Amino acid sequence: AQSVSQHNHHVILSEAASLELGCNYSYGGTVNLFWYVQYPGQHLQLLLKYFSGDPLVKGIKGFEAEFIKSKFSFNLRKPSVQWSDTAEYFCAVNAASGSARQLTFGSGTQLTVLP
Amino acid sequence: EPEVTQTPSHQVTQMGQEVILRCVPISNHLYFYWYRQILGQKVEFLVSFYNNEISEKSEIFDDQFSVERPDGSNFTLKIRSTKLEDSAMYFCASSEFSGRNIQYFGAGTRLSVL
Repeated sequence: AQSVSQHNHHVILSEAASLELGCNYSYGGTVNLFWYVQYPGQHLQLLLKYFSGDPLVKGIKGFEAEFIKSKFSFNLRKPSVQWSDTAEYFCAVNAASGSARQLTFGSGTQLTVLP
Repeated sequence: EPEVTQTPSHQVTQMGQEVILRCVPISNHLYFYWYRQILGQKVEFLVSFYNNEISEKSEIFDDQFSVERPDGSNFTLKIRSTKLEDSAMYFCASSEFSGRNIQYFGAGTRLSVL
C-alpha cells in the first residue's frame, strides 16, 4: 500500500523568505507525484507534477519540486514566498502503471505567510 | 480553465437520513472519483468510476455508499442512513483517459450530520 508523509503541519514565514516543504512516500513500484494547493474556500489546485524525466519540475506561481528517488522524497520549494501563498499544501502519489489510479495524500501543510 | 463543480457547497442532514452529493466533472474526462476529508485528517480515497462502473473502491466505501452517473454530465455520491462520523468534506475529481493521470478537483461539499 502507498503512504505519504508530510513532516510539517504548520509553517509560518515572512514574505520573501524561502520555502521548503517535505514530502516522503512509501510504495513498492514506480509512482507519479503531485503537489496540490488549497486556498481558503477553494478547490484543490494542481501546483506541479512529476511523471518521469528531469527530477526537478517547475510548476505554477514560481513553485518547484525535486524528486529524489533514493530518498523517496518530493520536496516542494519556492525561493521567495508571498502573502498570497498562504494556503494548505498537499503532496500526493499514485501508481504510474496498472489500473490503480487513486491518489494517496499526505496530511497537508498549512502555510501562513506574514506580510 | 474547465472546472469540476460540486453542489451543494454545504449540506446539513439529520443522522439516519439519505444524502446525495452532486458533481459535474470536466466534460471530456472519463474517470471520476470521490474522496473525503474528515476534519483534521488526510484526504482519503473513496471510489473511482469508469465506463459506468466502479473501477476501484476503498474499504471506507461500504454498502452505505453508492455512486451513479445518471446522465451525461452528473456524477453523484449517495450516502444512505448517514452517521455522525460521515461528517466530512467530500471532494469530487475527474481525469482524462490517459496514462498521465492528472486529477482535477472540485471545491468540495461539506457534509454535517447532526
